[in-house]
This record gives sequence, C-alpha cells and structure tokens, in this order.
Amino acid sequence: GAVVSQHPSWVICKSGTSVKIECRSLDFQATTMFWYRQFPKQSLMLMATSNEGSKATYEQGVEKDKFLINHASLTLSTLTVTSAHPEDSSFYICSAREGFGRAWLSNEQFFGPGTRLTVL
Amino acid sequence: SQQGEEDPQALSIQEGENATMNCSYKTSINNLQWYRQNSGRGLVHLILIRSNEREKHSGRLRVTLDTSKKSSSLLITASRAADTASYFCATDKGQGAQKLVFGQGTRLTINP
Repeated sequence: GAVVSQHPSWVICKSGTSVKIECRSLDFQATTMFWYRQFPKQSLMLMATSNEGSKATYEQGVEKDKFLINHASLTLSTLTVTSAHPEDSSFYICSAREGFGRAWLSNEQFFGPGTRLTVL
Repeated sequence: SQQGEEDPQALSIQEGENATMNCSYKTSINNLQWYRQNSGRGLVHLILIRSNEREKHSGRLRVTLDTSKKSSSLLITASRAADTASYFCATDKGQGAQKLVFGQGTRLTINP
C-alpha cells in the first residue's frame, strides 16, 4: 500500500516550452501533496505544499507563476514548469500525505520515484 | 534552509561492517524520519521515531533520538552492498505543520 507514482520519469525539452509532471497516489487519498526539487548530490528542497481543492502554498523564493501546481483531486497533483530554461533542469520529487489514520497522525509522507527534467 | 545537518557527508565501509550516520536539528520536533535514496530514484521511508521515543529498531536498522541534544543516529548493522545509497533525516515540527525539513544527507558506500 501507499504507492505514489510520477509521470513522466524523465523528460527532455527545449528552452521556452512548458512541461507538466503528474503525481498520483495509487491506493490512498492524499489530502496534501508536496513538491520538491533536488540538484545533484544535494538534499531535497521543498517547493510548495498543495492541498486538494485549494491554492498551493509556495516556499520563499519559489516563483508561483513559474511553477504552477494544481491539486484537483485527492489522488492527483500536477506541477507545470512554464517557459522552462536550462537552470530549471533538476530532479523533481513529489510526496503525498494520507488524509487520515496513523500515517496522517505521524505525518508520514510517501514519495514518488521522481522526474528528471533536462532543459536544452 | 535545511534544519537537519548530517554527519558524515560521505561514508565508505567494507561489507559486513556497521555504518553509523548522525543527524542534528535546531528546533523542537514532533518526530524524526529517516529515508534512503538510491541514485536517481525517489525516497524510501525507513523508520520514524517520535519525540517521546529514544530508540527504535527495524531489522538491521537502529535509530536513536536524543531530544536534549537535538540529535539522532541511524545504525545499519552487518552492511551489504545493496545498502549503498544516500540517507536523509527529516524533521517534522508538529503543531499542525506539515512540512518535512530534510538534512543534507549522508552518501554511504559499501565496498564488497
């Protein structure tokens, strides 16, 4: 149980294009999903927190117009990198938090496998 | 900014030896979690220890938590080549806060 998937697993795009990354909780309802980015050999940096049905909360320094997040259902959140540039190349990871129960109480988060974005 | 700081940043040991990684944090926490990440992959949850717990075991893993020193350690006993990965601690401040704050991680290499 508690499986989170991401699609695509990797994407290469041209500078100036937009890229959408999907994060799905496959066997549970996720009221909250989180988006992280990770540069090579570095830790995860939280970009934003998204709650189903409401606007995402962005961390300081993260451009909300650049990284559009939509959490339209309890099992799906999307991150769209708009007008991507080479500096946006990174590993993007989502996590999901179950809406109730033991995992919710302990704030245990379940992570997707990540999406590697390369912008040429 | 990352609250957790992990020590060492990199650790290389022989298969069969024990590996110990440490994590320090700055503010009070609700719980502390350890994750493993294989190169280019997502994170795998290893173990969660609550602020009122001092030690927890799971298979070959042993986690300790010292809230007075704001530190935690992860011990992997009888290491295997498959344990080669990066290990991160993550803290949760509780009080309704949902965010996890990750440490910088320890890159563990197990030499066969």
